[in-house]
This record gives sequence, structure tokens and C-alpha cells, in this order.
Amino acid sequence: GAGVSQSPSNKVTEKGKDVELRCDPISGHTALYWYRQSLGQGLEFLIYFQGNSAPDKSGLPSDRFSAERTGGSVSTLTIQRTQQEDSAVYLCASSRQGSGGAQETQYFGPGTRLLVL
Amino acid sequence: KNEVEQSPQNLTAQEGEFITINCSYSVGISALHWLQQHPGGGIVSLFMLSSGKKKHGRLIATINIQEKHSSLHITASHPRDSAVYICAGEGGADGLTFGKGTHLIIQP
Repeated sequence: GAGVSQSPSNKVTEKGKDVELRCDPISGHTALYWYRQSLGQGLEFLIYFQGNSAPDKSGLPSDRFSAERTGGSVSTLTIQRTQQEDSAVYLCASSRQGSGGAQETQYFGPGTRLLVL
Repeated sequence: KNEVEQSPQNLTAQEGEFITINCSYSVGISALHWLQQHPGGGIVSLFMLSSGKKKHGRLIATINIQEKHSSLHITASHPRDSAVYICAGEGGADGLTFGKGTHLIIQP
């Protein structure tokens, strides 16, 4: 279990329901990123955590999206009142240090495929 | 805001050919990442570089900071190299800014 893990791997939900996606970063990695890849689209940055600092939420597409990182490790991305346009693959990545000049390889999880009906 | 452009969008080549994928970005970055995404969706980091050139097996990545340009080369291409190759710029606090990817197909 040395890699980044995400759960669930697939999630089908109805429009209007809330969903929670989980990411377990590599042990010891202080930086954690959430990205989204919509069908036929490129990857899009959502939110970034560095240790226990307040996250950079600049990429979140709306106030229905929120994320937490407890104890500087596991992170959850919550989408409230899901819409069909939220359907995408949500990817988590971790690295030993964060952005802002620090250059570290990001290791990606397998992603959660979310389908909103 | 950084913009990252890749070319070509799609590339089909025969096994054994030398492959080049190009990436240009609009503002200064601290590092340039090359990622590989296989049809199953998993993403693997191939390179992270801030200057010069790196080589892993048949893969070579170069970057020219002054020209804001990077290239990914694959020598002696093989069908298993078929994937989407994505370049991404890292700078500031916004994680990575991604190009749209290059869909590479290597035919036997």
C-alpha cells in the first residue's frame, strides 16, 4: 500500500444528492491536491492542502464543493446538491512538499469516477 | 494565469518511430511535469524538470526556460507507449496547470 488510494472507485448518484470522496495520500507526503477530469476535457485543479495549513480553494468551481484534510493526512472532497455537470473523474495526488517554488513529483491516485444521473 | 499548450493533439505512428510531443507555456514556472495517462485512466508521473534534460529508458524530456517550451521524446516507440501524454506547469500555489494532452497511438 505505498501509493495514493482513493475511494470509492466509482460512484453513481442522483442529481441533488451529496457525495463524499476520499483520498489517502502516501504516508509522509505533506502536500495533497484534488483535480477533476471531465469527459473529453483536460485535467483541472480544484484544491491544494499543504500540511495543516488552510487550503488554497481557488480552483473549486462552486460553493457546493468543499474539502477537508484531517490530521494532515486523509482528505475528503464533498460535493453538495450534485449536478449532472459534476460528472467527472476526481483525482487526488500527493507530494512530499507543496507548490510555491518547491518542486516535487506528484503521485496520483486511481481516481473516483462520479456519475450524476 | 498560466496557459499550457500541447501539440500535436493526436499522433499515430508506426512501431519503432521516434516520437516528439511539444509543450509551451505562457508564464514562468518552477517546474514542468510530463504525465502519462493510460486508457484505464491511471496517471503516472514521467518527468519533473526545471532545466535541461532528463532521460528514463526510452523517454527523454527537455525544457528551454527562455523559450518557455518543453519536449517529450520517445525513442524506438512500441505499442505499449500508446497513451495520453500530458504536460503541466507548476508555479505559484495552484497545483498544476495542465495541457489538453496528446493522444498517442503506436501501431505494430
